[in-house]
Amino acid sequence: AQSVTQPDIHITVSEGASLELRCNYSYGATPYLFWYVQSPGQGLQLLLKYFSGDTLVQGIKGFEAEFKRSQSSFNLRKPSVHWSDAAEYFCAVGIHYGGSQGNLIFGKGTKLSVKP
Amino acid sequence: DTEVTQTPKHLVMGMTNKKSLKCEQHMGHRAMYWYKQKAKKPPELMFVYSYEKLSINESVPSRFSPECPNSSLLNLHLHALQPEDSALYLCASSQFGLAGEQETQYFGPGTRLLVL
Repeated sequence: AQSVTQPDIHITVSEGASLELRCNYSYGATPYLFWYVQSPGQGLQLLLKYFSGDTLVQGIKGFEAEFKRSQSSFNLRKPSVHWSDAAEYFCAVGIHYGGSQGNLIFGKGTKLSVKP
Repeated sequence: DTEVTQTPKHLVMGMTNKKSLKCEQHMGHRAMYWYKQKAKKPPELMFVYSYEKLSINESVPSRFSPECPNSSLLNLHLHALQPEDSALYLCASSQFGLAGEQETQYFGPGTRLLVL
């Protein structure tokens, strides 16, 4: 069965420090992988996605993620965290159902806190 | 433009009330989704509409009734809800096209629902 694991429930980093959020997936076929960010009380914003090709993908707000098939991982990174990055981060695998819709399998999320 | 709008932003209703949530997108997407999100949890899929037809109902109680009047609009009609239905309700849409694009969902800001 398809699944997504985000091992870290809560991470705290200092402003200006680097960040890596971990994501592991279980999926039999080529995965479509996503990272979303959610600020408190807000909807989910797409940070970046991976379909195929270059395994290092760039996203918005200075984030990047690297797909490693051998490790079934899609970790999110940022070289220098800003206080405004404090939020909940969700990793997801996209599954195609047929027709025009796909489905997202979400991890449980990682809450990022940023220390001044 | 990747905007999905949702109204209202907040809703308080009694258990005997009837209310509706509205979602709108003008990106030409042909799949639209309703999710329910409880605090500190990932979104849970409720319904999927594909080409204005209900294609997935994730065993949602009948007190939630979705409707897709046209390709841009998605409603969620609420009746006789329970306090445990209090949550953030998110709408999303995705486009028909190349592999991976159908799995890329764009989310609205959500409606915060409180059932008293």
